[in-house]
Amino acid sequence: KAGVTQTPRYLIKTRGQQVTLSCSPISGHRSVSWYQQTPGQGLQFLFEYFSETQRNKGNFPGRFSGRQFSNSRSEMNVSTLELGDSALYLCASSSGTLNTGELFFGEGSRLTVL
Amino acid sequence: EDQVTQSPEALRLQEGESSSLNCSYTVSGLRGLFWYRQDPGKGPEFLFTLYSAGEEKEKERLKATLTKKESFLHITAPKPEDSATYLCAAPRENRDDKIIFGKGTRLHILP
Repeated sequence: KAGVTQTPRYLIKTRGQQVTLSCSPISGHRSVSWYQQTPGQGLQFLFEYFSETQRNKGNFPGRFSGRQFSNSRSEMNVSTLELGDSALYLCASSSGTLNTGELFFGEGSRLTVL
Repeated sequence: EDQVTQSPEALRLQEGESSSLNCSYTVSGLRGLFWYRQDPGKGPEFLFTLYSAGEEKEKERLKATLTKKESFLHITAPKPEDSATYLCAAPRENRDDKIIFGKGTRLHILP
């Protein structure tokens, strides 16, 4: 069974640019959630999509957005990048609700903003 | 304010030296407590979910327990391959920040 796939694995952007990250969940999983991980703040919840609808949202500015397609693949977008957006962005897929905690994470996309 | 706090931040043990990692939480209406393991350069790997005080779950050398205020991850006779960062997290119902994570405990097992 293939795991969660995130692309790209590494990318470098400059301030003011925008970035799109992609996540392909485990086959059959309809929930995809996104997280930002930094050394200072740790792992923080961004948002969750289920059947193409945003079901939950974290405390991040509107520059962070996402969407989910009918095949459950998801993308997240960060516009007007800031230096503080440098982080590891992780997505996770789940067969049910986040309340089970049984999340399957990808290896992440490491974003560096210069 | 809901919080999940882990201690210690880092822990070095000799192979075979048992210990416990702590996760204390202040989450109103707790609906579960999750433990994950994260290796460098990888995403977290799900270990356990505990739902109620008194519950215990085991997996190989790991045992997780839950009280009304904290959770412990006991590591019995650890091996070098148990070296990783261990994260705990809690879900919140009908709130922003659906899941809040602790900052993790970096565990290093010396051979």
